[in-house]
Amino acid sequence: SYELTQPPSVSVSPGQTASITCSGNKLDDKYAYWYQQRPGQSPVLVIYQDRKRPSGIPERFSGSNSGNTATLTISGTQAMDEADYYCQAWDTDTAVFGGGTKLTVL
Amino acid sequence: EVQVLESGGGLVQPGGSLRLSCAASGFTFSSYAMSWVRQTPGKGLEWVSAMSGSGASTYYADSVKGRFTISRDNSKNTLYLQMNSLRAEDTAVYYCAKGSGNSGSDAFDVWGQGRLVTVSS
Repeated sequence: SYELTQPPSVSVSPGQTASITCSGNKLDDKYAYWYQQRPGQSPVLVIYQDRKRPSGIPERFSGSNSGNTATLTISGTQAMDEADYYCQAWDTDTAVFGGGTKLTVL
Repeated sequence: EVQVLESGGGLVQPGGSLRLSCAASGFTFSSYAMSWVRQTPGKGLEWVSAMSGSGASTYYADSVKGRFTISRDNSKNTLYLQMNSLRAEDTAVYYCAKGSGNSGSDAFDVWGQGRLVTVSS
């Protein structure tokens, strides 16, 4: 079965750039999606189709997908961005999530 | 406002059954695929099942295939998940999620607040 691998944790200082990776075999043959989940809340879509932002998502969130790796980049990270982030892709009518990355802003 | 709201859930014994419902509002329900996604407390997200907008196509994770059944009533704007032969490992918060398109292979762009299902004797 298809697998997506994320680092368990990433730390960033306020105002700096955070990058969260998601690895999967030939991932760029698929679309990558990214979700933010703050503690005690439901997930929120922040990037779809590799690099598109839903309305209401700040411009500091961006995405890319090349080769085996998709990347979520948060520029000018703010304290409110501290959350768990999950990547997701579809593989033969099955949705697959990465294990999640805890972003700490310190 | 586009919303999905789950109901049902609770405590059930191993081997038992439970049905979750998801009421949708603010969008043309029949035009969008819908999914169920679960999250074990303190752990990651796991996709469970999806259904196309018309209801003609259904998809399941291997972990629930043959035990869970997804369905929808487009006249009532409601999605369901019938869960049978429940196991301890099915204990999780279950989210209803709206697809951004009709086919099922799209983003999950709206999520419900989640319902806790606990399987325990």
